[in-house]
Amino acid sequence: GAVVSQHPSRVICKSGTSVKIECRSLDFQATTMFWYRQFPKKSLMLMATSNEGSKATYEQGVEKDKFLINHASLTLSTLTVTSAHPEDSSFYICSAVGQGWHGYTFGSGTRLTVV
Amino acid sequence: AQSVSQHNHHVILSEAASLELGCNYSYGGTVNLFWYVQYPGQHLQLLLKYFSGDPLVKGIKGFEAEFIKSKFSFNLRKPSVQWSDTAEYFCAVNGRDFGNEKLTFGTGTRLTIIP
Repeated sequence: GAVVSQHPSRVICKSGTSVKIECRSLDFQATTMFWYRQFPKKSLMLMATSNEGSKATYEQGVEKDKFLINHASLTLSTLTVTSAHPEDSSFYICSAVGQGWHGYTFGSGTRLTVV
Repeated sequence: AQSVSQHNHHVILSEAASLELGCNYSYGGTVNLFWYVQYPGQHLQLLLKYFSGDPLVKGIKGFEAEFIKSKFSFNLRKPSVQWSDTAEYFCAVNGRDFGNEKLTFGTGTRLTIIP
C-alpha cells in the first residue's frame, strides 16, 4: 500500500534556529500534500496544502513566512519552521494524496521541541 | 466550509463492553468520511472509510461505522472492545467537491478500556 515517510521523528532545537521536516511518498506520486499540527490531547489542525510545483495554500492564522512549505517534486514536500520559538513545539504530521485519489496516507509525525 | 463534531471527549469502558462513538459533520454536498485511530505514541492509522455505496462500512480490528445521511452522522461501533483498543479516535470528513482534497478532523475521542 501507499507509504509516506516523515523525517525526523523527533528534533530538539534551540530557540531562534530553523528546522526542516521532510515528507516523502515512497511508492506513489503525491500530487497534494498536507501539513498538520497536533497539540497535546488535541485534534489535528490543518496548516497548509501544497501541490507539486506551486505555492502552498495556508489556512487562516498560519504564518506562511514562519512555516515555509516546499513541494518541489511529486514525492517530496518539506516544512521548514523558521526562527523557532518554544510555542512552536508541537507534533507535526504530513499526509499525501496521489493521482486517482483513494484516500490519505499519513506520515508518522515529527515531535518538535524548541528549547 | 466543512466541519466535524465529536461529542464524546473521553469514554471509559470495561473490556467486552460495546462501543459507539458519535461523529456528526457539517457540509452542504457529498462527502467522504473517515475514522482514524492513534494509539499512544504512534501515528494515525485508518480504521475505515466511506466513499459511496453501502452505508454500513466495516473496517479493521472489528470496527464498523454507519453513514446516516439524514442525520449527517458517521458513528463508529464495535460490539466488544478489548484493552488494546485504548487509543484516541478521530472522525474526519472531506467534502467531495472538485479540487477539494482538504481533510477536516474532529476533536477526537479518547477511549480508555479497563481490563
